[in-house]
Amino acid sequence: SQQGEEDPQALSIQEGENATMNCSYKTSINNLQWYRQNSGRGLVHLILIRSNEREKHSGRLRVTLDTSKKSSSLLITASRAADTASYFCATDFNNAGNMLTFGGGTRLMVKP
Amino acid sequence: NAGVTQTPKFRVLKTGQSMTLLCAQDMNHEYMYWYRQDPGMGLRLIHYSVGEGTTAKGEVPDGYNVSRLKKQNFLLGLESAAPSQTSVYFCASSGTSGRTQYFGPGTRLTVL
Repeated sequence: SQQGEEDPQALSIQEGENATMNCSYKTSINNLQWYRQNSGRGLVHLILIRSNEREKHSGRLRVTLDTSKKSSSLLITASRAADTASYFCATDFNNAGNMLTFGGGTRLMVKP
Repeated sequence: NAGVTQTPKFRVLKTGQSMTLLCAQDMNHEYMYWYRQDPGMGLRLIHYSVGEGTTAKGEVPDGYNVSRLKKQNFLLGLESAAPSQTSVYFCASSGTSGRTQYFGPGTRLTVL
């Protein structure tokens, strides 16, 4: 079973709007990462947040982590058509050894 | 730096045929991973390696074998392909466990 589950599964917004995606997980983690996948391509790492961090920024990206709720959110501000992609959360949970576990992803479409 | 490369990019097999997918990385990473991604889903870990000469099973290892004879290469083998193995296969590498993974462009495999 997948450790991380993203919500919503699909999201369609207009260029310039903000996009928020959520990820929930089941067990304690060391860190949580977000990746982007453009259609037909490999995944690209966006940001990593450690279990002792609550918020992290990278350019137009803001990630929050609430370990008490076992959830994370990814906010993309002022979205662009080029942000159209699938976004995945991946958890490095404590008893996983050397593995990341990926969620099913959120498919984001940004309309120009 | 080429990063992570995968060979081939596309392949069509008949049921029962065998093949090997090659992954190469030039970042001197210790950890390497093979995932499969089915339509509309996230990635599932097939096998991984924590260093040259080591391999371990992931979430969905059945029907696959791997070898890591050289640090920079990680091979994924299908001994007797089945239609259920039709998928896109991604290789990834990382410098340390649970940290940022770098992905190859993927191999699209169809088993008829």
